[in-house]
Amino acid sequence: EDQVTQSPEALRLQEGESSSLNCSYTVSGLRGLFWYRQDPGKGPEFLFTLYSAGEEKEKERLKATLTKKESFLHITAPKPEDSATYLCAVPSGNQFYFGTGTSLTVIP
Amino acid sequence: DSGVTQTPKHLITATGQRVTLRCSPRSGDLSVYWYQQSLDQGLQFLIQYYNGEERAKGNILERFSAQQFPDLHSELNLSSLELGDSALYFCASGDGLNTQYFGPGTRLTVL
Repeated sequence: EDQVTQSPEALRLQEGESSSLNCSYTVSGLRGLFWYRQDPGKGPEFLFTLYSAGEEKEKERLKATLTKKESFLHITAPKPEDSATYLCAVPSGNQFYFGTGTSLTVIP
Repeated sequence: DSGVTQTPKHLITATGQRVTLRCSPRSGDLSVYWYQQSLDQGLQFLIQYYNGEERAKGNILERFSAQQFPDLHSELNLSSLELGDSALYFCASGDGLNTQYFGPGTRLTVL
C-alpha cells in the first residue's frame, strides 16, 4: 500500500540550530514529491516540488532534497518565524497522499 | 494568498444537519480537490474534480457529496452531520497534474 511517513513528529530547535526533516515514501512510480508548510488553522502553503532522485530546491533557509526512497527538508539557521508544521505529499494515481507532518518549533 | 477562496470561514451547526462548503479555484485551474483535516490527523483526501467531472475519490463518506460547476467553482455538501465531522475542510486547485494550491479552509463545528 502506498504510504508517506514523516519524522520526527515534532522538533524543537534553538534559533540558529540547523536540522533536517525526513519524508519517506513507498509509492511506486514517483511522479513528484511536494513539500508544504502549514501554520495553525491555515491552509498548507506550497514550498517545493521534486521530481527525480538527486534533485535539490532551495528557498531562503530551506533546502529540499530527494532520493529514491525519501526526501529531506534541511533548515539552516532557523528563525522563530520558521515555526510551523511541514508536510510532504506524493501523488499516486489521481490522489495525493500526505504525511502527518513534522511540527517545528524554533525557540528564540 | 494562494488565489483559492473558500466560504464560509467558520460554520457551526448541529448534528443531523446539512451544510454546503464553497470553493473558487485559482484563475486557470481546472482541478479542484477537497480535503478533511481533523485534530491530530493529517490531510485526508476526499475527492477531486477536473473541469466539471469527478476524477478521483478518496475516503469520502456516503453522506458527503461534491460537484464542480461550469464556472469551475466547487461545492462540498455534508449531510446528516455527526460530531466526528467537526474538522477543517480545505479546497485546493491545480492543473490536475502537479502542484496543488490550498485555500484558507472552512472550520466546521458540529454541536
